[in-house]
Amino acid sequence: EVVLTQSPATLSVSPGERATLSCRASQSIDTNLAWYQQRPGQAPRLLIYGSSSGATGVPARFSGSGSGTEFTLTISSLQSEDFAFYYCQQYNNWPRTFGQGTRVEIK
Amino acid sequence: EVQLVQSGAEVKKPGESLKISCKTSGYSFTSQWIGWVRQKPGKGLEWMGIIWPGDSETRYSPSFQGQVIISADRSISTAYLQWSSLKASDSAIYYCARQLGQLRAVYDLWGHGTMVTVSS
Repeated sequence: EVVLTQSPATLSVSPGERATLSCRASQSIDTNLAWYQQRPGQAPRLLIYGSSSGATGVPARFSGSGSGTEFTLTISSLQSEDFAFYYCQQYNNWPRTFGQGTRVEIK
Repeated sequence: EVQLVQSGAEVKKPGESLKISCKTSGYSFTSQWIGWVRQKPGKGLEWMGIIWPGDSETRYSPSFQGQVIISADRSISTAYLQWSSLKASDSAIYYCARQLGQLRAVYDLWGHGTMVTVSS
């Protein structure tokens, strides 16, 4: 099973600042990685797939990069609605797996 | 409107059986995989398994194989997740989600979640 390790566990950022979240895979997963946002009390929402492709309707301030075992989600200028949990998910191997999540909180 | 509507919250006792549902609409039910994801209270997301409603082919995570059954009824465009004997550790929110594509095994449309509470 591919283990995804997200860091940091919690990221404290001021509105308008840039946020950089990391996801490391225990083995190479090519670019088969997605990112989701989950606000409290809501279902997850797909942000990025294929490591860097934006999902429909996702603002341009969200971008993804990486391949192999190292991946990054960048939020260029944090808005109030971006304070939430973020999860990465790999779909290169069975079973599909999620990272443990990063909480982005207001500094 | 394209949507996944899940059944309501359940409160059950250990040992009881349960089947929760995920009714889809607005797209071709038999042409996209549907997955199930567990989220325990205050915890992260866990991938459980998926089903191809076209022929009910399923794939499970080893962590959930033998613990749950995923099924689908094409006639009413609905997927199901069921347990034969619940445990307290099954208490969680369960989400169904539509897979984006055959090769893009990511989930672009989610249900609102079904909260399952198992307590004596």
